[in-house]
Amino acid sequence: TQLLEQSPQFLSIQEGENLTVYCNSSSVFSSLQWYRQEPGEGPVLLVTVVTGGEVKKLKRLTFQFGDARKDSSLHITAAQPGDTGLYLCAGPLITGNQFYFGTGTSLTVIP
Amino acid sequence: EAGVAQSPRYKIIEKRQSVAFWCNPISGHATLYWYQQILGQGPKLLIQFQNNGVVDDSQLPKDRFSAERLKGVDSTLKIQPAKLEDSAVYLCASSLEVTGAWGEQYFGPGTRLTVT
Repeated sequence: TQLLEQSPQFLSIQEGENLTVYCNSSSVFSSLQWYRQEPGEGPVLLVTVVTGGEVKKLKRLTFQFGDARKDSSLHITAAQPGDTGLYLCAGPLITGNQFYFGTGTSLTVIP
Repeated sequence: EAGVAQSPRYKIIEKRQSVAFWCNPISGHATLYWYQQILGQGPKLLIQFQNNGVVDDSQLPKDRFSAERLKGVDSTLKIQPAKLEDSAVYLCASSLEVTGAWGEQYFGPGTRLTVT
């Protein structure tokens, strides 16, 4: 069971455009991580958000953790072809010891 | 620093056959994870080891899947017998932290299994 639903599932945009990816759940998470995965490789960690309402910026990427710790978003400003990949949110439930990945958002940035 | 190593990278077998995957985590990492990633989906955690003990295997189909981590280092994941729905990428990851502290997981490149 994947407790984390991501939207949109697929996103194809032109270079220079902005975009937002959403990660939602009905459950509360201790923290949330965002990973990017490229074809033929394993996911690579981008950021971890821990506190409800927390906002973290990583160059052109802005990550937000919802106040209730049930959702998160990733905003990319001025997307570049190098941003192309599968974006995954993930985290442990506050009630247990299981780690869950989201359903994934496949991003393609067209030059 | 060497990353997480996995082998083989690709494997094609017929249903009802057996298959084994190998993972060598980053040196010094206490925790090792095996994930199953079906095409178009996010990874699903199958089993988590801390050193050579199993922390969680609640999503491992134990009638056909088994895993071990001898001496707290390398790990193998076995499927016997394989079914068509086992076709997926099997990812191994390791992390420095012990259970309860969810730090960065470092992933290997995965093994792509095709069951025909």
